[in-house]
Amino acid sequence: GAGVSQSPRYKVAKRGQDVALRCDPISGHVSLFWYQQALGQGPEFLTYFQNEAQLDKSGLPSDRFFAERPEGSVSTLKIQRTQQEDSAVYLCASSLGTGVRNEQFFGPGTRLTVL
Amino acid sequence: LAKTTQPISMDSYEGQEVNITCSHNNIATNDYITWYQQFPSQGPRFIIQGYKTKVTNEVASLFIPADRKSSTLSLPRVSLSDTAVYYCLVGDFYNAGNMLTFGGGTRLMVKP
Repeated sequence: GAGVSQSPRYKVAKRGQDVALRCDPISGHVSLFWYQQALGQGPEFLTYFQNEAQLDKSGLPSDRFFAERPEGSVSTLKIQRTQQEDSAVYLCASSLGTGVRNEQFFGPGTRLTVL
Repeated sequence: LAKTTQPISMDSYEGQEVNITCSHNNIATNDYITWYQQFPSQGPRFIIQGYKTKVTNEVASLFIPADRKSSTLSLPRVSLSDTAVYYCLVGDFYNAGNMLTFGGGTRLMVKP
């Protein structure tokens, strides 16, 4: 069955470039999460959407990070003026409902390397 | 959010039972305990979730003592394919937008 997909799987950017990472959640899933995972670390929360509403963006590390989900389905994480410290795997997850009791289904991630 | 502590790494052999214990001393009344598994180059995958006592599914068992200050994930008869990182998380199910808070996880290495 179709799971969460992310594109591109790998992205190399020069420092200062803007990047856009796409997430296609499981159809019908209300909740969508973005996480950042540095090498050897656990994922860290970035932002959360309930349908098209961004309810929590407390994890976004700076104003260079921006996420949207305009129609309550596909989401895009944009990073402006990338820095080397932005190099990480960016994971997207979706869940059918809201709250921690709802299992989150993760995509394979996008590995971003900033040179 | 309740902080979790788990061993950094564990080694085991094929066919053995593996128990990974997680400490969460400041767990709140509303918190559930959830375990995720992550293989290299993949996103985490839900394994099991519980509130108290024992929960079992086709993959694992989760043991939670009465004080809920710790929990133990039990993997019966592990195989090489169980080599992965295992994360213990706690979260408030009343918080509708609750994100998952991952710690460093436990790297399980299963040897032949």
